[in-house]
Amino acid sequence: DIQMTQSPSVLSASVGDRVTLNCKASQNINKYLNWYQQKLGEAPKLLIYNTNNLQTGIPSRFSGSGSGTDYTLTISSLQPEDVATYFCFQHNSWPLTFGSGTKLEIK
Amino acid sequence: VQLVESGGGLVQPGKSLKLSCSASGFTFSSYGMHWIRQAPGKGLDWVAYISSSSGTVYADAVKGRFTISRDNAKNTLYLQLNSLKSEDTAIYYCARHTMGITDYWGQGVMVTVSS
Repeated sequence: DIQMTQSPSVLSASVGDRVTLNCKASQNINKYLNWYQQKLGEAPKLLIYNTNNLQTGIPSRFSGSGSGTDYTLTISSLQPEDVATYFCFQHNSWPLTFGSGTKLEIK
Repeated sequence: VQLVESGGGLVQPGKSLKLSCSASGFTFSSYGMHWIRQAPGKGLDWVAYISSSSGTVYADAVKGRFTISRDNAKNTLYLQLNSLKSEDTAIYYCARHTMGITDYWGQGVMVTVSS
């Protein structure tokens, strides 16, 4: 199984900061990597699919990059409504696997 | 697009439960569907997938105990949960899948396995 490791597990930043969340796969996942945002008590929401494709309706301050085993989600200017847990998800091979999440907080 | 799960509840270990996911707002028969779960306070855990042509794939933790199925005439996805264990306690989400994109998720249904 492909293990997905996210770092950091908790990130505290100020409004307006540029923040970067990391996701590392235990093997090459060929850019088949999605990012989800989950706010407290809500279902996950798709932000980015296949590494760098912004889902319709998602603000342009969110972007994704990466290749091989290393991927990042960047928020260019953190907003209060971005407080949430962010999960990466590989769909390169079965079984599909999620990272353990990065909890993003506002300082 | 709307996905609404139902059928959850409190069940004893070893017993069974059947979850449903009612889909609307899209052509259900054209999409693959997932079940994904989240134990209380934990991360996300993929459970099972069914393609538009009803091919299925399962996580090892549920293989042989859970069965995913679909009824395209009723626009409904199912998950039959048998031989339930305490570690199956979680919120169960259904989610739509197409061309590598798992986009819309339901709000989830809680399954609690406890004596």
